Amino acid sequence: EAGVVQSPRYKIIEKKQPVAFWCNPISGHNTLYWYLQNLGQGPELLIRYENEEAVDDSQLPKDRFSAERLKGVDSTLKIQPAELGDSAVYLCASSPSGPGYNEQFFGPGTRLTVL
Amino acid sequence: GESVGLHLPTLSVQEGDNSIINCAYSNSASDYFIWYKQESGKGPQFIIDIRSNMDKRQGQRVTVLLNKTVKHLSLQIAATQPGDSAVYFCAEGKNRDDKIIFGKGTRLHILP
Repeated sequence: EAGVVQSPRYKIIEKKQPVAFWCNPISGHNTLYWYLQNLGQGPELLIRYENEEAVDDSQLPKDRFSAERLKGVDSTLKIQPAELGDSAVYLCASSPSGPGYNEQFFGPGTRLTVL
Repeated sequence: GESVGLHLPTLSVQEGDNSIINCAYSNSASDYFIWYKQESGKGPQFIIDIRSNMDKRQGQRVTVLLNKTVKHLSLQIAATQPGDSAVYFCAEGKNRDDKIIFGKGTRLHILP
């Protein structure tokens, strides 16, 4: 079974440029998450989707970050414009839906470097 | 600041010995706790979880202990192998949603 797929794996851009990350979750997983991971720290949730609905975007900096999951399958996270402090690894995860705790499966992440 | 986050606590263990990685969690109302392993260049990988109504759970070569009195979680790895080298994160969550909060990581370094 294929895991969570993310692309690109690495991205280097200059500040003020836009950037987008793509995620394809595990087939059948209705819940999708985007996390930000700074070097040496644990992942921090940016946004969580149930199908195509963003059910928790309280930690998403909405002035420059946006996300979509139009058909309830794959998802795109965008930053426009990027700032130096956005350099981090952006992780996507997915889980099956259901009450209570469901194991999250993580993709390999996209490492963003903003120059 | 950001430089503090670069200095992960590191546990160095001789190959073949047992490893114990500790974690202090913050929310006494959390319903479950999870240990993740993250290798360089990869996303976190689930190792084992434990519900708040349990104090011990065993998996293959791993044991998680939960002490709710002092809000402490530990991961024990038996007969540590080179492939166990990674950063280990604990995480906590509540049943009412799928949101989990990650704690600080610990780097496990295996000595030959």
